Amino acid sequence: GIQVEQSPPDLILQEGANSTLRCNFSDSVNNLQWFHQNPWGQLINLFYIPSGTKQNGRLSATTVATERYSLLYISSSQTTDSGVYFCATNFGNEKLTFGTGTRLTIIP
Amino acid sequence: DAGVTQSPTHLIKTRGQQVTLRCSPISGHKSVSWYQQVLGQGPQFIFQYYEKEERGRGNFPDRFSARQFPNYSSELNVNALLLGDSALYLCASTRRGSGGETQYFGPGTRLLVL
Repeated sequence: GIQVEQSPPDLILQEGANSTLRCNFSDSVNNLQWFHQNPWGQLINLFYIPSGTKQNGRLSATTVATERYSLLYISSSQTTDSGVYFCATNFGNEKLTFGTGTRLTIIP
Repeated sequence: DAGVTQSPTHLIKTRGQQVTLRCSPISGHKSVSWYQQVLGQGPQFIFQYYEKEERGRGNFPDRFSARQFPNYSSELNVNALLLGDSALYLCASTRRGSGGETQYFGPGTRLLVL
């Protein structure tokens, strides 16, 4: 099956800092999503990005499908950005394979 | 539009009992998937239903079963509960569009097995 790995596993930053989270996947995929899981467990869609670059406010994401990786950029971090960030992908069916996650902690 | 809803929010059971979790997808979404997330890990796929038919099953024992109703809501049943079934159970509904398939998750049901 698809293997999805994320790095770094943990990241602690001061408020206002920028960060880059990475997602590597083991095979060709046609779907790549980024999620933020808040401290209450809610998974929130950030991006659907099988290829290319998208931006939404302070967040942006880039997927290079031919090289099997995706990056999530967070600029000017805020404490509300804390939580676990997951990338997830599939082959076109709806079974999502989630990555290992990056736990982000923003310190005021 | 309301998002994906799940009930109950929290549940405590003892080993050997049975549990039923419920999920209502976003209006207009016909597909529902269930995931199990144990502490410290990413969600793991359990089932996917589309138009009331099972379309996929993850690597879970037969103690886990599910169904989808004509209104596209879904139930997940777990029999003979084990301590290891303690987890956050997430339901997702899928939007299919020109932009691809996007899953939207509910708030989850936290199950604790004692």
